[in-house]
Amino acid sequence: QKEVEQNSGPLSVPEGAIASLNCTYSDRGSQSFFWYRQYSGKSPELIMFIYSNGDKEDGRFTAQLNKASQYVSLLIRDSQPSDSATYLCAVKGVSGTYKYIFGTGTRLKVLA
Amino acid sequence: SQTIHQWPATLVQPVGSPLSLECTVEGTSNPNLYWYRQAAGRGLQLLFYSVGIGQISSEVPQNLSASRPQDRQFILSSKKLLLSDSGFYLCAWSRTGTAGNTIYFGEGSWLTVV
Repeated sequence: QKEVEQNSGPLSVPEGAIASLNCTYSDRGSQSFFWYRQYSGKSPELIMFIYSNGDKEDGRFTAQLNKASQYVSLLIRDSQPSDSATYLCAVKGVSGTYKYIFGTGTRLKVLA
Repeated sequence: SQTIHQWPATLVQPVGSPLSLECTVEGTSNPNLYWYRQAAGRGLQLLFYSVGIGQISSEVPQNLSASRPQDRQFILSSKKLLLSDSGFYLCAWSRTGTAGNTIYFGEGSWLTVV
């Protein structure tokens, strides 16, 4: 079982719709969860992080965490063509560890 | 504010040649430093991480090595490149301490081994 799993996509949504991206992880001791956006040929850039169960909102983005189900998601409201990119989920383990484990990413296409 | 730079941005190297990628972080001290590789269409693979000068942890046995000669400098090297070393190499940093610290990436280095 992979440590961090994401559906590779592509996920296609029309402009203005809500895009829902999902991620599951295997280490129950994981404490911090991150979403990155990566445009083709560029390095990943942070969208947001979450480490408490529930929802965290930042502009058009909402991260959702459910530690019991080992599941984290990212919702993008009012999707724009500029949101078309690969979205990477990353997980950091228990305090004192230094490794950030990344999923393979979900490719999102927002159709104008 | 903190910044991270890595270079060169792109390079084409023949099989068997050496490699040196360099990364520096500014605006912070004692960062955790990382080297990741992303092969075409693949996820990010952690290669090395460092929690201090001279302290290197290797995640994947291969012909690559890393060094941290100064607090904010991280170098990825190889004595003899293989075709399979081609990919997008990313240096990254995070603050030490609590679990919530974010990891930030440099601009990346595209390596093509021919």
